[in-house]
Amino acid sequence: EDKVVQSPLSLVVHEGDTVTLNCSYEVTNFRSLLWYKQEKKAPTFLFMLTSSGIEKKSGRLSSILDKKELFSILNITATQTGDSAVYLCVWRSGGSNYKLTFGKGTLLTVNP
Amino acid sequence: NAGVTQTPKFQVLKTGQSMTLQCAQDMNHNSMYWYRQDPGMGLRLIYYSASEGTTDKGEVPNGYNVSRLNKREFSLRLESAAPSQTSVYFCASSLSTDTQYFGPGTRLTVL
Repeated sequence: EDKVVQSPLSLVVHEGDTVTLNCSYEVTNFRSLLWYKQEKKAPTFLFMLTSSGIEKKSGRLSSILDKKELFSILNITATQTGDSAVYLCVWRSGGSNYKLTFGKGTLLTVNP
Repeated sequence: NAGVTQTPKFQVLKTGQSMTLQCAQDMNHNSMYWYRQDPGMGLRLIYYSASEGTTDKGEVPNGYNVSRLNKREFSLRLESAAPSQTSVYFCASSLSTDTQYFGPGTRLTVL
């Protein structure tokens, strides 16, 4: 059975800190990994990763995938209170199966 | 573009009542999805529609039916609501099957 494990489950930091969120997986027939940010409502898309070692960046956020070691990390530098959210790691299997496997998320709280 | 819209935002039902959750997208996406999100369980796929005219079961389809009315609209129906269906329901759409864009969610309580 496909499994996605995110760590830590929750994290509290101060504004300006740098955080690293982890995601490891046991997924058959890997196709892509996605990161989403969920505040009070719907998840919003951050990144999609398909190749190992290629960092994706968007402002203060970046993410990288290691397909050999089966994990991904999401980094946030110079955190702001607006970064407080649940960050979801999602794995997509290949083939015609549309199943996405969601991690349970990391709750990040950034205090002023 | 409004993106993905869902109605209603909130709903309270009694056990045994029926209702339909509506979802529409204006991004010309081919695929649409219904998820439920429960505390400690993450997001779970109920049904999906890879393209107009097709629907398939996801991880937790029991107790639900769907209709892909046209390319824009994908509805989720609860024929006889049960307390176990109390959840937050998200609709999503995608052009391909990777990056999905989510609607704002419907919070459903079944008493």
